[in-house]
Amino acid sequence: DTEVTQTPKHLVMGMTNKKSLKCEQHMGHRAMYWYKQKAKKPPELMFVYSYEKLSINESVPSRFSPECPNSSLLNLHLHALQPEDSALYLCASSRRGGQKTEAFFGQGTRLTVV
Amino acid sequence: ELKVEQNPLFLSMQEGKNYTIYCNYSTTSDRLYWYRQDPGKSLESLFVLLSNGAVKQEGRLMASLDTKARLSTLHITAAVHDLSATYFCAVDSYMNYGGSQGNLIFGKGTKLSVKP
Repeated sequence: DTEVTQTPKHLVMGMTNKKSLKCEQHMGHRAMYWYKQKAKKPPELMFVYSYEKLSINESVPSRFSPECPNSSLLNLHLHALQPEDSALYLCASSRRGGQKTEAFFGQGTRLTVV
Repeated sequence: ELKVEQNPLFLSMQEGKNYTIYCNYSTTSDRLYWYRQDPGKSLESLFVLLSNGAVKQEGRLMASLDTKARLSTLHITAAVHDLSATYFCAVDSYMNYGGSQGNLIFGKGTKLSVKP
């Protein structure tokens, strides 16, 4: 099983809503990532979790709040987003940080903020 | 700061022709990845290159890595329409974090269009 599963696939939310994106993997990977991809742009790193601890936060606004409740799950909690936050949000996982290993990406959540 | 540059950014090819996409990066790394992305979809892993001189081939695509030149190439042989997509190279920035934890820094992508 080399699958990273993201839910939901599509999400429309208002600027006052609170929602969460979910990501799950059962490959035993201990590094998990959130990337944001705007249209016609490359993915940009938001957060990295290594062994369930936040190891990299790329100066992401606090309206995005990540959570890693266990080694298989990664959440991204969203609150008071802006229309410019509309993007494809990609989750990825890899065996362990620092190892020569492949990152597997989920199918993404297409987020629209209205 | 690690920077990754791809060129060309747009490539329009005729079926049956050959072409090469280039990926240059600015600091030391021996981990480079190529991904394909179709419109509205996620990233599909194509190649994982983890050492100097690594060469991998899959179908009409061949990727190579020269860590001394900080250069990777993605060569397309006898292009077909099904190869139309955006191709990203990505470099692991682990050296920027003391070697313990890195993340992928992506090039801007090459949008490939293969025409009959």
